[in-house]
Amino acid sequence: SQQGEEDPQALSIQEGENATMNCSYKTSINNLQWYRQNSGRGLVHLILIRSNEREKHSGRLRVTLDTSKKSSSLLITASRAADTASYFCATWAGGYQKVTFGTGTKLQVIP
Amino acid sequence: NAGVTQTPKFQVLKTGQSMTLQCAQDMNHEYMSWYRQDPGMGLRLIHYSVGAGITDQGEVPNGYNVSRSTTEDFPLRLLSAAPSQTSVYFCASRRSGTESSYNEQFFGPGTRLTVL
Repeated sequence: SQQGEEDPQALSIQEGENATMNCSYKTSINNLQWYRQNSGRGLVHLILIRSNEREKHSGRLRVTLDTSKKSSSLLITASRAADTASYFCATWAGGYQKVTFGTGTKLQVIP
Repeated sequence: NAGVTQTPKFQVLKTGQSMTLQCAQDMNHEYMSWYRQDPGMGLRLIHYSVGAGITDQGEVPNGYNVSRSTTEDFPLRLLSAAPSQTSVYFCASRRSGTESSYNEQFFGPGTRLTVL
């Protein structure tokens, strides 16, 4: 069953603009992670936010977590063409079998 | 380090054929897993292993077998391929432990499988 649902499913922006994508989940979690997948490649870990954290930064990435709303957002600032990829959230609720991936947001950054 | 490697990259099977997807990692990670990725479905966990000799089922295990004889290798076997198993398969590994940072998974490049 899908725990995470990303929104929007697809996003197209101009280079230099900011990109925001959202993830909603259903059950309590220990942490939430964001991954990037370039076309035809495996997933690459971007950032992890723990359930007791509200915001985290890494370079041009900013992640927020609202456990009361069971949602997270990923903001990519000053986007580049190289950011074109699919982005997935993954929630970890304890135990290996409790990790679930969302359906992803496909981001296109137009040069 | 090569990280997580998978072979083959592409494979076409006929219904009923069997094959093994290979996965290896050189990071000495205890945890390894197999996912399948289908359009609009995200990644779904097939099987996972928390160490050599220990495996368990994930969300969609039917039609697949795994074994873990070494820390490095975690092959996925399709005993009798079906068209419903057409998908992209990813192997992943991570460190063991309860520290949240250990939850980061390292993925292989994937195997694209078509079953006719």
